[in-house]
Amino acid sequence: QVQLVQSGAEVQKPGASVRISCKASGYTFTSYYIHWVRQAPGQGLEWLGCINSKSGGAEYAQKFQGWVTMTRDTSISTAYMEVKRLRSDDTAVYYCARGGADFWGQGTLVTVSS
Amino acid sequence: NFMLTQPHSVSESPGKTVTISCTGNSGNIARSGVQWHQQRPGSAPTIVMSEDNLRPSGVPNRFSGTIDSSSNSAFLTISGLRTEDEADYYCQSFDSSDQWVFGGGTKLTVL
Repeated sequence: QVQLVQSGAEVQKPGASVRISCKASGYTFTSYYIHWVRQAPGQGLEWLGCINSKSGGAEYAQKFQGWVTMTRDTSISTAYMEVKRLRSDDTAVYYCARGGADFWGQGTLVTVSS
Repeated sequence: NFMLTQPHSVSESPGKTVTISCTGNSGNIARSGVQWHQQRPGSAPTIVMSEDNLRPSGVPNRFSGTIDSSSNSAFLTISGLRTEDEADYYCQSFDSSDQWVFGGGTKLTVL
């Protein structure tokens, strides 16, 4: 069955970076994009961008261009998202989702606190 | 910027039918397609209605989706409400660059 398993919760200080992983299984990894979505506490869903799992090309929401980087490693069917220069308002649960939004990862809580 | 607007909350009794709306401020959501996601507290979203109003495997036929082009709106209808349907529901579509756009979410209370 299709599964997206994300890395565990992170606590980071303001100004630091964080990298989250999303390991796919149960389907051909390179056949689907991987999208990243975040949800701040008590808030709605916000799209950050996506990566073409085959080519590695990424597209970002304008708000996140320059400080979010999406990559992938096809040898281990894993996508990554790095967020740089963290601020307190980046505290959120970050989700990966398969293209088509038909399967989601379990989410990774990133807490930014001094 | 393309935006989707949903009611903040809706409530209905068990066994009844509820409809949640999702209105686009521009474009043609009928052409773009709209998906609906259910999110229970503390859990990741799960899709309950895909584009073209198809129910993914495992989603009961109590869930149905429609689109009204004249109002640029999509609707998720849940019939025979159960307490387990209580959740936040998000509509999702695409802007002119095919980037994902989410509605603000609707909290469904089954009381």
